Amino acid sequence: EPEVTQTPSHQVTQMGQEVILRCVPISNHLYFYWYRQILGQKVEFLVSFYNNEISEKSEIFDDQFSVERPDGSNFTLKIRSTKLEDSAMYFCASSGLAGGPPRETQYFGPGTRLLVL
Amino acid sequence: DQQVKQNSPSLSVQEGRISILNCDYTNSMFDYFLWYKKYPAEGPTFLISISSIKDKNEDGRFTVFLNKSAKHLSLHIVPSQPGDSAVYFCAASAQGAQKLVFGQGTRLTINP
Repeated sequence: EPEVTQTPSHQVTQMGQEVILRCVPISNHLYFYWYRQILGQKVEFLVSFYNNEISEKSEIFDDQFSVERPDGSNFTLKIRSTKLEDSAMYFCASSGLAGGPPRETQYFGPGTRLLVL
Repeated sequence: DQQVKQNSPSLSVQEGRISILNCDYTNSMFDYFLWYKKYPAEGPTFLISISSIKDKNEDGRFTVFLNKSAKHLSLHIVPSQPGDSAVYFCAASAQGAQKLVFGQGTRLTINP
């Protein structure tokens, strides 16, 4: 069964450093997402991406964050200068087949646990 | 942001009995609802969804009920099995929006 994959599974970084989290969405999905879950809190939406551009973003997704689809398979989240409060589990998700219904289920990857020291 | 609420942080049910997980929402623009299951160190796994044009959707042991007037949905699992022990998240989205808004989750424990 197709699945979303994410690398690395764990990342430890120093405050102020840049990190790139990587995701391979389900092939032939058209919409891609990043969510995060700070320990003990809800899963929160960060950004959605469609047709090579951001289609929706939350207030969390400020100038420190960027997303990119550098090739036909990868989808990345970059945090330019990490802060302590960026420590969280980051989930990538994908949805949406061409010609499919307008509201598609989002399928999630296993997550990357980011720890900022 | 309390648009989606799961008021029970935990629920314990005996194997073979029915598990009922509840979710309330406040945003009347929500029209699509999903339930996800999550094991530790894994991502949320999709279980079942329902659109606001329906009031019930069934898939095997899982049934979701939607009460639009009460802005309430519930997930019924019957019969409950030990493998159902996990955290269950309710999520919602609004027409024209792509983001999912999640509840806090309910930890379900199925006791043998």
